[in-house]
Amino acid sequence: EVQLVQSGAEVKKPGESLRISCKGSGYNFTNFWISWVRLMPGKGLELMGRIDPSDSYTSYSPSFQGHVTISVDKSISTAYLQWSSLKASDTAMYYCGRITIAAAGMDVWGQGTTVTVSS
Amino acid sequence: DIVMTQSPDSLAVSLGQRATINCKSSQSVLHSSNNKNYLAWYQLKPGQPPKLLISWASTRESGVPDRFSGSGSGTDFTLTISSLQAEDVAVYYCQQYYSLPNFGQGTKLEIK
Repeated sequence: EVQLVQSGAEVKKPGESLRISCKGSGYNFTNFWISWVRLMPGKGLELMGRIDPSDSYTSYSPSFQGHVTISVDKSISTAYLQWSSLKASDTAMYYCGRITIAAAGMDVWGQGTTVTVSS
Repeated sequence: DIVMTQSPDSLAVSLGQRATINCKSSQSVLHSSNNKNYLAWYQLKPGQPPKLLISWASTRESGVPDRFSGSGSGTDFTLTISSLQAEDVAVYYCQQYYSLPNFGQGTKLEIK
């Protein structure tokens, strides 16, 4: 079964660092780009950026450039989303999604990781 | 950046009736090299990850009921649910992938 499994919910304080993960299985991980998507409470989906697991090439949406880091460890079929200094405004659900082979949308999604940042 | 604008923001439709959601892009997402529209539709239900319903503006994903259809070209697109079922209550998003992908603001679909 093709699936993406994300790491569990996190509760952090402002200023702390965090890395969440997204592990792919059931397919050749390096053949498909991975995107990260944010869903803030009461808001819409926002694409944060994407990474090519074959060579770690990344691209970020302008709103997220410089605020997060997307990386990958292809040896363990896992993509990461990382913050160096969290803010309360980072409180959200974060999803990873596999971009289709034709780059026509995201066909497989992780279950989501809730990140809560509160003092 | 290509800006995606959906209308309406929310919609209430009676069971069995047609639901229509519109999506407009700030520039064409029709690629001249292959004559394909780089536009997808997703369904988001509470507590679930998004689900890809339609890609290339009108190609239904495997397993998606045929009451869901997509149409349009260039800058104007439509998602139609021909006969609304209770399980279709969700927020629907369009997404362009012509350039760095981004989503519309979403349309909340409810039962009237």
